[in-house]
Amino acid sequence: GESVGLHLPTLSVQEGDNSIINCAYSNSASDYFIWYKQESGKGPQFIIDIRSNMDKRQGQRVTVLLNKTVKHLSLQIAATQPGDSAVYFCAVKKTGQGAQKLVFGQGTRLTINP
Amino acid sequence: DGGITQSPKYLFRKEGQNVTLSCEQNLNHDAMYWYRQDPGQGLRLIYYSQIVNDFQKGDIAEGYSVSREKKESFPLTVTSAQKNPTAFYLCASTQTYTEAFFGQGTRLTVV
Repeated sequence: GESVGLHLPTLSVQEGDNSIINCAYSNSASDYFIWYKQESGKGPQFIIDIRSNMDKRQGQRVTVLLNKTVKHLSLQIAATQPGDSAVYFCAVKKTGQGAQKLVFGQGTRLTINP
Repeated sequence: DGGITQSPKYLFRKEGQNVTLSCEQNLNHDAMYWYRQDPGQGLRLIYYSQIVNDFQKGDIAEGYSVSREKKESFPLTVTSAQKNPTAFYLCASTQTYTEAFFGQGTRLTVV
């Protein structure tokens, strides 16, 4: 089965700096990857996703990088703001026929220091 | 507006009681999921369902049961067999290549 690991449970950066959050997955057949942001007491919110046929995808201030060779996923947040303080999760799915399990990592708590 | 609705937001359970958490979606998504989240922890998969009348156990299914009689509904029952049910429960739905949309969660407390 799939397992999703995390490199750092917490990360602190200065406001305005860039941050990088990492994630590792185990199943090479996984082909869809998602990053979520969760604020206290709320459900996770979608940030950005990437399919396995891509290496990089950019959104507004966020970039996701996928390295299928080493089964590693990262989320880069540019010019961090206080509102970026939250817990960030990666999620991994193997699509195709049949039931599609969506597995989450443990999360990284990002703190933006003023 | 389309979305996922979980109810209730807060739920209190006595020892030995079964309780049912509601999850309804109007996104026309095929797949639905239930996750458990403990303080400071990640999301652990309880059950998931790809189609009506079919569901699979996740990583921590013991002490829980689900049904999927309608596409839009995926209720979770926390049975008395679940010895440590106090947690934050999250329901999600998705299509194949779309992100999972989450409800706002139900916080269950044993009293």
